[in-house]
Amino acid sequence: DARVTQTPRHKVTEMGQEVTMRCQPILGHNTVFWYRQTMMQGLELLAYFRNRAPLDDSGMPKDRFSAEMPDATLATLKIQPSEPRDSAVYFCASGLVLFGTSANPNYEQYFGPGTRLTVT
Amino acid sequence: GENVEQHPSTLSVQEGDSAVIKCTYSDSASNYFPWYKQELGKGPQLIIDIRSNVGEKKDQRIAVTLNKTAKHFSLHITETQPEDSAVYFCAASWGGGTSYGKLTFGQGTILTVHP
Repeated sequence: DARVTQTPRHKVTEMGQEVTMRCQPILGHNTVFWYRQTMMQGLELLAYFRNRAPLDDSGMPKDRFSAEMPDATLATLKIQPSEPRDSAVYFCASGLVLFGTSANPNYEQYFGPGTRLTVT
Repeated sequence: GENVEQHPSTLSVQEGDSAVIKCTYSDSASNYFPWYKQELGKGPQLIIDIRSNVGEKKDQRIAVTLNKTAKHFSLHITETQPEDSAVYFCAASWGGGTSYGKLTFGQGTILTVHP
């Protein structure tokens, strides 16, 4: 049963600390999306990668957030330094091209279980 | 950019009744419309989707309809069961331009099915 895995599932940290969240996409999926979910803002896209290269990170606060995909089996989202307003659930989604061309694809996205981050 | 509005924000039905959730989108270029179900403490799960060249799609008790002219699409759940209780999200995407297939989500509908 192929699924996206995320670690850790829960993280409580103090303001100013570095936080690293990890995601293992479904084998064979070449696109990874990072989302943040809060009650106020709903589901927001932070960044996404295709074939390990960043395609769009315009939704991510650049001064403190960074996203990387060091290899095809691992994507990371890092916050440094963390702030209380970063408290949210962070989801990774693994994408498979459903239709379209390589330049103009539409993806079927499969979400992981999320990392619930609390910054005190 | 794309904007997706979803209604209602909460929906309460009796077991066995039907439930309908509606979404409107702003970008006429959008051509892919998935629906996700999110249970408490879990990630969103893709339950059904529709492409812009199709008007309706069914999968057992769930169906999705699309009206491209009016730019709205709907999720229909028949014979609801308590396990259908969850938050449902609609989304829209377009693979062209600089969108690269990004999904824009609606605000979500909390569906409660009472036994």
